[in-house]
Amino acid sequence: GQQVMQIPQYQHVQEGEDFTTYCNSSTTLSNIQWYKQRPGGHPVFLIQLVKSGEVKKQKRLTFQFGEAKKNSSLHITATQTTDVGTYFCARPSGSARQLTFGSGTQLTVLP
Amino acid sequence: NAGVTQTPKFRVLKTGQSMTLLCAQDMNHEYMYWYRQDPGMGLRLIHYSVGEGTTAKGEVPDGYNVSRLKKQNFLLGLESAAPSQTSVYFCASKAGSLSPLHFGNGTRLTVT
Repeated sequence: GQQVMQIPQYQHVQEGEDFTTYCNSSTTLSNIQWYKQRPGGHPVFLIQLVKSGEVKKQKRLTFQFGEAKKNSSLHITATQTTDVGTYFCARPSGSARQLTFGSGTQLTVLP
Repeated sequence: NAGVTQTPKFRVLKTGQSMTLLCAQDMNHEYMYWYRQDPGMGLRLIHYSVGEGTTAKGEVPDGYNVSRLKKQNFLLGLESAAPSQTSVYFCASKAGSLSPLHFGNGTRLTVT
């Protein structure tokens, strides 16, 4: 189907440690988007990756799109308490009219 | 700009009651969506619309109906609420097929 598997489901880190979440698809993706949802909040768009092997950075966040365009990752360097939340990847489906979300990785940062 | 506005923020229903959730966007977006979010299950698409007067089913449409009579509004209806519909409902919109989604703040619905 057009699901995306996201791992891990939960991650607890000490402040200052790094964090990575992975998104995997069985089919080739035209693009992939990443969203962050703070506790009690709504998902907020972070970035979209389109090209094979693409790497994009936003301060301490690094996003990668695999060479085969079947997987993606989000890496956070030196986590801070402000990074707490759930990170979702999302793939287009239904002629790009729909967006299917992964189940998310819930990040807890311990001070 | 208010972005995407959802009303109400909270609602408690009894089984069998009906209600309508309203979503309004002021960004002139063509595409609008209703998702539900349950613990551990991410966001699941209920219904969506690619333009005024159009609607389509998503992944979990049963028990819900929608209407998009005006471009800026997308209504989600529950005709006969069931406890399984207890969830957080998010409305979202986007400008085009490759554009990012803009979400509302959500509606927390409890059905007893």
